[in-house]
Amino acid sequence: SQTIHQWPATLVQPVGSPLSLECTVEGTSNPNLYWYRQAAGRGLQLLFYSVGIGQISSEVPQNLSASRPQDRQFILSSKKLLLSDSGFYLCAWIRGTPYNEQFFGPGTRLTVL
Amino acid sequence: GNSVTQMEGPVTLSEEAFLTINCTYTATGYPSLFWYVQYPGEGLQLLLKATKADDKGSNKGFEATYRKETTSFHLEKGSVQVSDSAVYFCALSIQGAQKLVFGQGTRLTINP
Repeated sequence: SQTIHQWPATLVQPVGSPLSLECTVEGTSNPNLYWYRQAAGRGLQLLFYSVGIGQISSEVPQNLSASRPQDRQFILSSKKLLLSDSGFYLCAWIRGTPYNEQFFGPGTRLTVL
Repeated sequence: GNSVTQMEGPVTLSEEAFLTINCTYTATGYPSLFWYVQYPGEGLQLLLKATKADDKGSNKGFEATYRKETTSFHLEKGSVQVSDSAVYFCALSIQGAQKLVFGQGTRLTINP
């Protein structure tokens, strides 16, 4: 069966510090991978998605970036965090056609102080 | 374009009450429809799905019927429990598309 891991589970970082969040998927190959953010009390905001190694699509311009160095690894990064980067970050993958069910990781709670 | 509109929350009910959370959609083509649930501090879990018109998805006592004529996929449960307190997201997927489209989420609180 497929599983998706995210780490760390929680993170507290000062403004201006770098960020690296990691997501890995097990039990499948060549998944589409996604990064979402939830601000407190808000809905899902799609940040990036990737259909293959080295292929990144950005949905929202901001100071975050994403990379996919391996088939089942997806990394979210920032060189300098802002207060507004605080939130709950969710990684997800899609089980392919025809129904495109999406499956989510447990999330990372990021607090920028 | 494709979009999903959910009932505004928050919704507060007493235990054993009947639940309806409305969801309507607009889509080009024939979407698959999903309900996801997010418990506090956790990621989203797929609750149920329906992939064609008149399909009924069901799980854990929740049901939703894919109504093409009204472009709706309302979530229902006959008797809610405190453990159903969570945020519920309606979503659609178009075959061949790379992304799902999510509604804004509805926060549900069940009081004992």
